[in-house]
Amino acid sequence: QSVLTQPPSASETPGQRVVISCSGSRSNIGSNFVSWYRQLPGTAPTLLIYKNSQWPSGVSGRFSGSKSGTSASLAISGLQSEDEADYYCATWDDSLNGPVFGGGTKLTVL
Amino acid sequence: QVTLRESGPALVKPTQTLTLTCTFSGFSLSTNGMCVSWIRQSPGKALEWLAVIDWDNDKYYSTSLKTRLTISKDTSKDQVVLKMANMDPLDTATYYCARVIWNGIYVDHWGQGTLVTVSS
Repeated sequence: QSVLTQPPSASETPGQRVVISCSGSRSNIGSNFVSWYRQLPGTAPTLLIYKNSQWPSGVSGRFSGSKSGTSASLAISGLQSEDEADYYCATWDDSLNGPVFGGGTKLTVL
Repeated sequence: QVTLRESGPALVKPTQTLTLTCTFSGFSLSTNGMCVSWIRQSPGKALEWLAVIDWDNDKYYSTSLKTRLTISKDTSKDQVVLKMANMDPLDTATYYCARVIWNGIYVDHWGQGTLVTVSS
C-alpha cells in the first residue's frame, strides 16, 4: 500500500486532456515538492515534472503539474498514442524520513 | 552527460546477500545537493524507493526494508553500492540506480535497470 494514492488507471481519447491525481498527507505532499515520472513499457522511468510544476528541458509543455494542500495532479493535454504509459508521483515523507512513490496510474489512450 | 549503470548478479539464492553496484559519470557525489538512490520495481508493480545516499554521506532507507539494506559510496570511483541481506523470492525485481537532486528531491537521471531474480 503506497503512502501516495493514485488512481490505478485512466483513459481518454486522442487530442483530449486527462488529469491524474496524487493524494497524500501533511507529512509528505503537504510539506514537500512533488515530482512526476512517466514509464513506457519495458523502459526506465523518465522525469516529467519536478518541484510541483517545473519542466525539465526536453519535456513537452503538454505536461503540467500542480499542487494544492495534500494533493497534486498531472495534466496531459493534446493526448497522443505515445502517451500510453504508467505515471508515478513522488515526494519526500517527513514522518518516514525518506522519499516515497505513488502506486502508479496506467494511462490508456483510446 | 550524466549516465548511471547498474551491475550485479542476475540470479541470487534465497537467504543470500545481494550486492549491486552503480557506476556513474557526468557528476560528482561530493557536490553539494547531489544524491544517488536505489529504486526497485517488482514485475507488474509500482516503483519502490529503497535507499538514498547524499553528498554528505547521509543515508536514508525504506522503513520497511531498513534492517536489510546498506548503501555506501566510493567517491573516488564514482560508485554507489547497495547491499540487501536475506534475499527472498519476493525481492525479484528490476533494480534501478538513479541520480537525485536534493533541492526538490527528484530523480533527474535513471540507469537502465538490472533484473534480479531470487530463486533456488
